[in-house]
Amino acid sequence: AQKVTQAQTEISVVEKEDVTLDCVYETRDTTYYLFWYKQPPSGELVFLIRRNSFDEQNEISGRYSWNFQKSTSSFNFTITASQVVDSAVYFCALSEASNTDKLIFGTGTRLQVFP
Amino acid sequence: GAVVSQHPSWVICKSGTSVKIECRSLDFQATTMFWYRQFPKQSLMLMATSNEGSKATYEQGVEKDKFLINHASLTLSTLTVTSAHPEDSSFYICSGIGTGLGRERRSYNEQFFGPGTRLTVL
Repeated sequence: AQKVTQAQTEISVVEKEDVTLDCVYETRDTTYYLFWYKQPPSGELVFLIRRNSFDEQNEISGRYSWNFQKSTSSFNFTITASQVVDSAVYFCALSEASNTDKLIFGTGTRLQVFP
Repeated sequence: GAVVSQHPSWVICKSGTSVKIECRSLDFQATTMFWYRQFPKQSLMLMATSNEGSKATYEQGVEKDKFLINHASLTLSTLTVTSAHPEDSSFYICSGIGTGLGRERRSYNEQFFGPGTRLTVL
């Protein structure tokens, strides 16, 4: 069965701290896609990244970086030098090749960055 | 990325009334649209998937007679909550995938989400 686990419900940090949001997934498919979305207080989900299961290369985009490790079924997200504007709920999601349109979301991690 | 709008952004209604929520893709043709429901401090749960011109496919446990979905055009899908009750109060979010309107007809494989509609049923 497919499942996405985000064990951290809430994280609080002070500005400029680095923070890592954990994501562990379960799937039987050998081909799948992993996503991260940001949901600020306004409610709209913002797409951050999509990674397919064959691409284990880590990715960096500005202050954001992602660490994909198939061996541990994890797709962790790190924000470097956090800012107040990073405060939001972050969702990790999975879709399988057998049904790429269906996104299975984790329960989300609420990040609060204090000045 | 592509833009999806929802209307209204929030609505309060009396128990027993029906509420219609619109989801529009503004700068791409959404061949497939999705409707999600999110309870406070919880994750998004997929309710149904609709392809333009076809009947929606509902997830297990979602009442299709209660949550009517119409996807009559490539830029508009509607969700009607019929005979709403307080337990239907939730945050409803739509998303779409499809192709761009430009000459290159770019294909959008990731879902682009609307800003959500907060429904409160009294």
